[in-house]
Amino acid sequence: DAGVTQSPTHLIKTRGQQVTLRCSPISGHKSVSWYQQVLGQGPQFIFQYYEKEERGRGNFPDRFSARQFPNYSSELNVNALLLGDSALYLCASTGTTGSTEAFFGQGTRLTVV
Amino acid sequence: AQTVTQSQPEMSVQEAETVTLSCTYDTSESNYYLFWYKQPPSRQMILVIRQEAYKQQNATENRFSVNFQKAAKSFSLKISDSQLGDTAMYFCAFMKEGYHYQLIWGAGTKLIIKP
Repeated sequence: DAGVTQSPTHLIKTRGQQVTLRCSPISGHKSVSWYQQVLGQGPQFIFQYYEKEERGRGNFPDRFSARQFPNYSSELNVNALLLGDSALYLCASTGTTGSTEAFFGQGTRLTVV
Repeated sequence: AQTVTQSQPEMSVQEAETVTLSCTYDTSESNYYLFWYKQPPSRQMILVIRQEAYKQQNATENRFSVNFQKAAKSFSLKISDSQLGDTAMYFCAFMKEGYHYQLIWGAGTKLIIKP
């Protein structure tokens, strides 16, 4: 079975631009969570979606938004990019909202210049 | 608000030795979960071990075991017979009951296993 896949693996954007990151969960998984991991730090929770509804949001500005599609894949959008948005963005999928085991993708490395 | 603290930025041990990574957390919740994740250079987070707060018995997974001290809010990871493949960043994480999968993470410990 395919694991959690994220695309792209790397990208470089300019300050002020917008970016869309994509995540495909493991087949059958209905919950997707997004995390931001700045270099040298632990991840920070951004969003969780379950059955296409937002179930949780971390302490991030409104420039960050996300959605989940009927096939349970998800997109994370960041507008008006800042240098501080440079980070590894991780996606995790879980089978049910009550599951305590999540599976992570390899992340998208975003560099803002 | 919950916080997770890992006080050891980096540790190194010889292959086959035992190493213990420390983690403390702060919460007023009574039901929660604690995790140790491994992040090798490939960047993918891999679950090492998890502990339910309501279980008094410490979790074990092969060479990995935890020392969970609920009253002290301490959750350390012991790796026995360390192997070169254990070299990675290790993160401690906390999850409130009912907030799956919204993890709160520590800053991580870089573990280096020397041959």
